Formats: sequence, structure tokens, C-alpha cells
Amino acid sequence: GESVGLHLPTLSVQEGDNSIINCAYSNSASDYFIWYKQESGKGPQFIIDIRSNMDKRQGQRVTVLLNKTVKHLSLQIAATQPGDSAVYFCAENIADSWGKLQFGAGTQVVVTP
Amino acid sequence: NAGVTQTPKFRVLKTGQSMTLLCAQDMNHEYMYWYRQDPGMGLRLIHYSVGEGTTAKGEVPDGYNVSRLKKQNFLLGLESAAPSQTSVYFCASSPGLQFQETQYFGPGTRLLVL
Repeated sequence: GESVGLHLPTLSVQEGDNSIINCAYSNSASDYFIWYKQESGKGPQFIIDIRSNMDKRQGQRVTVLLNKTVKHLSLQIAATQPGDSAVYFCAENIADSWGKLQFGAGTQVVVTP
Repeated sequence: NAGVTQTPKFRVLKTGQSMTLLCAQDMNHEYMYWYRQDPGMGLRLIHYSVGEGTTAKGEVPDGYNVSRLKKQNFLLGLESAAPSQTSVYFCASSPGLQFQETQYFGPGTRLLVL
């Protein structure tokens, strides 16, 4: 079946640098995407979302980019901080579904001093 | 406003034992979900509910049952635990106002089945 996936399982970033986390999706019917952050021992925490009628959305220090042509989603974190160390998941919602989300396996981001 | 809470935080069971995981939300959300998370895998949906008194199967429902007797609570039951059910279980909720909604997660329950 179609699924959400991530390119890199682990991303090491130096403190202060920008981070880019990638996500590929294969379901062209997906129309809503969410990025979650999960710190060790905690539940996933909402970061930012984007709908399929948008290419870019910005939050506080985070930007999500959506390229529907190649079915690619990315999360950019500006000026990465030690508190950004976590696993980051992307999730997709398929159009006309009742709200069900399909999750990728996640990318571990490690921030080094 | 506590959001989504889960009880217990950690539990050890022997094979064949039963238990119930409790999820509670105070956001008046219509939809609630139970997921399991295993190493190297994304969250997988076990069961979900779109309103009080309703439940439905998700991706991996076998070996689990659920009940939604009250809008704010969603219970996940294991009738006869198996080692394959060792996992971290997350509950989530969403408003249920539109198809495109984010879900809000609890802190998780870590279950070990020996």
C-alpha cells in the first residue's frame, strides 16, 4: 500500500545551524500534512501543518515546504537548539477520509554543541 | 487544561493476563484514537472512535478491544496479553470538526509482556 516515508533515519546538526528534515509521500490523494516532534519518553507534539493548496508555511523557527509535483515534504528548523533534539514524524491525511493520519517512521535529530 | 492523559504510565504483564489502558481528554474532542509505537516504525492505529458510543477498527486491531462509554474517555483492553503486544501505546484526540485536523497525543503507556 501507499505510505509515508523519511529519507534519513538520523540527522546530526551543529547547534545554531539550520536543520532540514525530509519526507516522501506516495499517495497523491493526500491533502493535509503534519509534522510532529517526539522527545524521548514523551508523546508526539504538534509542530506545524500544511494543506495541499499551499507550498510553504512558516511558524516560529520552523518552515514546512510542500512539493506536490515530486510528493515531497520538508521541515526546516532555523538556528537549531539543543532542545530541538528529538524524533520528527511527518503524517499525511488522505483526502475525504474521516481524519485518519498515516505516519512515517521518523527521523532522529541530534544537536551537537 | 490537562489535554490528553493516560493511565498507567508503565506496566509489566505476564502472557495471558489482561489489562485496560485508560485515556482521558478534557478538550471536548469528538474523535479519539489508540496507537502503538514500535522501534523503527511509525505509529500504527489500533482502534478509533468518532464519538461517544462508537468504535471502529484501525490498522492493527487484533488482540485489542476498546470502549467509549463517555465522550472524554477511551479505554483500550488486552484480554490475553502476548509478548508481541510489548510496545508503547499512545492515545490521541481531535476535535472532529473537519477532515483535516491535527491530533493531540497523550504521554504514552509503556507495556512489557513477559
